[in-house]
Amino acid sequence: AQSVTQLGSHVSVSEGALVLLRCNYSSSVPPYLFWYVQYPNQGLQLLLKYTSAATLVKGINGFEAEFKKSETSFHLTKPSAHMSDAAEYFCAVSNSNGNKLVFGAGTILRVKS
Amino acid sequence: KAGVTQTPRYLIKTRGQQVTLSCSPISGHRSVSWYQQTPGQGLQFLFEYFSETQRNKGNFPGRFSGRQFSNSRSEMNVSTLELGDSALYLCASSSQVLQGETQYFGPGTRLLVL
Repeated sequence: AQSVTQLGSHVSVSEGALVLLRCNYSSSVPPYLFWYVQYPNQGLQLLLKYTSAATLVKGINGFEAEFKKSETSFHLTKPSAHMSDAAEYFCAVSNSNGNKLVFGAGTILRVKS
Repeated sequence: KAGVTQTPRYLIKTRGQQVTLSCSPISGHRSVSWYQQTPGQGLQFLFEYFSETQRNKGNFPGRFSGRQFSNSRSEMNVSTLELGDSALYLCASSSQVLQGETQYFGPGTRLLVL
């Protein structure tokens, strides 16, 4: 079975600082990996996804993630945090059986001024 | 294109009642998936429909059911509501049922069971 683990349920950074949200996956087959963001009282918005075309994936709002097979990781980064980045972030893996997404527990990002 | 829409946005029910939630996918999308989000269990997959057929089902009791109509709109039903069914129910649509296909989420229906 495929699964993802997000290290750190809460991450706090200062505005302008580097954002690093960690995600490790477990998969017996080459995975499809996703990062979604959820703002309060809203649904999930896709930030980026990995589909094996390139190991460094660029997404919206200045976010990017690097797929590292040797470390089974897909960490999300942004060089400079903005107050508007405060939200909950979810890493997900696509199950080999169709569209089903298996999500990590989520990481709440707080941005301090 | 309009995004995924879900109705109603908020709902309050009492234990033992049943509830029906609706989801309209992005125009042209034929796959609809449902997820339950709770603080304790996180995001969990309920089921997935494609062309009116259930393709995949998560590990939920039979009280949870769904269906998809010929216009790809989907409904999910929860019978005999329990307090633990209080959650945000999210619907997602995609154009195909393929691993790696991007799913687009609606704003969710927040259900409170009293």
